[in-house]
Amino acid sequence: DADVTQTPRNRITKTGKRIMLECSQTKGHDRMYWYRQDPGLGLRLIYYSFDVKDINKGEISDGYSVSRQAQAKFSLSLESAIPNQTALYFCATSDPGSTDTQYFGPGTRLTVL
Amino acid sequence: QKEVEQNSGPLSVPEGAIASLNCTYSDRVSQSFFWYRQYSGKSPELIMSIYSNGDKEDGRFTAQLNKASQYVSLLIRDSQPSDSATYLCAALAGSNQFYFGTGTSLTVIP
Repeated sequence: DADVTQTPRNRITKTGKRIMLECSQTKGHDRMYWYRQDPGLGLRLIYYSFDVKDINKGEISDGYSVSRQAQAKFSLSLESAIPNQTALYFCATSDPGSTDTQYFGPGTRLTVL
Repeated sequence: QKEVEQNSGPLSVPEGAIASLNCTYSDRVSQSFFWYRQYSGKSPELIMSIYSNGDKEDGRFTAQLNKASQYVSLLIRDSQPSDSATYLCAALAGSNQFYFGTGTSLTVIP
């Protein structure tokens, strides 16, 4: 089984809809991250969390919210989706006690019409 | 200046050649540096990390860090078609945020 899983893997939705993307990990890492990837713009950090009670905004948090339900679960919500939120979304975890390597989930391809 | 900058390429090299990928970074990121490989439609996977000045070798891959000039590079020796991918440079800032470059697309021609 994969260490970092994301659901759904693909989603098509309409403008104005509320969307939740979920991430679960079995690596036991405290740190979790949400990124979006757009062609030509690379990976950009949306939110990150160092533990259940610690949530931080990244570079591009506007229009997004997150919830850290447990050490293993970190959800990203789009309260009212808009077309420019169409992107590939990745969840990642890291363990600062080792090498700070980030381990990525398989990604969620979101299309907002 | 963006925190991490890469030449987006594309870069093409013949099979067996050395591929050289470069990345520069700003003063806002100065701790740890990483190279990730990303195949089309897949998630990034770590190739190498480097924390101190100099070279670090792992098989066919060598990472180089020059803090005075603020650049990080990745050399791939004896390039193989399976090395064809996008390579992402990343850096960790003091805020514990990771910053990624836009990636360099590499094609190894058989």
